[in-house]
Amino acid sequence: GAVVSQHPSRVICKSGTSVKIECRSLDFQATTMFWYRQFPKQSLMLMATSNEGSKATYEQGVEKDKFLINHASLTLSTLTVTSAHPEDSSFYICSARGTVLRGISGYTFGSGTRLTVV
Amino acid sequence: KQEVTQIPAALSVPEGENLVLNCSFTDSAIYNLQWFRQDPGKGLTSLLLIQSSQREQTSGRLNASLDKSSGRSTLYIAASQPGDSATYLCAVIDGNKLVFGAGTILRVKS
Repeated sequence: GAVVSQHPSRVICKSGTSVKIECRSLDFQATTMFWYRQFPKQSLMLMATSNEGSKATYEQGVEKDKFLINHASLTLSTLTVTSAHPEDSSFYICSARGTVLRGISGYTFGSGTRLTVV
Repeated sequence: KQEVTQIPAALSVPEGENLVLNCSFTDSAIYNLQWFRQDPGKGLTSLLLIQSSQREQTSGRLNASLDKSSGRSTLYIAASQPGDSATYLCAVIDGNKLVFGAGTILRVKS
C-alpha cells in the first residue's frame, strides 16, 4: 500500500532557529500534500496544501512566511518552521493524496514530527 | 462550512465487547469519508475509506457505514481487544481537503 515517510520523528531546537521537516511518498506520486498541526488531545488542524510545482495554499491564520512549504517534486514536500519560538512546539503531520489507487483516492499520513522549541 | 462531530469523546470497555463509534457531518455533499486510527505520539493509520456512493465497508473486525442523507457514519468494532486502544478519527473528504472530527479515545481493558 501507499507509504508516506516523514523525518525527523522528533526534533528539539533553540528558539530563533529554523527547522525543516521532510515528507516523502515512497511508492506513489503525490500530486498534492497536506501539512497539519496537532495540539495535545486535539484533532488535526490543516495548515496548508501544497501542489507539486506551485505555491502552497495556506489556511486562514497560518503565517506563510513562518511556515515555508516547498513541494519540488512529486515525491517530496518540506515544511520549514522559521525563527521557531516555544509556541511553535507541536506535533506536525504530513499527508499525501496520490494518484488513484485501485480506483479510490484516499489519504496516507506520515508518522509525524514532534517539535520542541526551547 | 463542513463540520464533523464525533461521539463519544472517550469510551472505556472491557475486552471482548462490540462497540460503535459515531461520526456526523453537517454538509451531505461529501466525496468520501475515511476512518483513521492514531496511537499516542504517532501519525494516522487509515482503517476504512467509504466512497459517497457506498453504504458500508468492512475490514476484518471493523465495519464502517455511511448514510449521506442523514450526515452520519458509524464505525463498528467487533470483539474488541486491548490492542484496539487508540484514538479513532473520522474525516470527511470535502473537495480536496480532509475535515476531521475531534476523535474518540478508546480504551479496551483486559
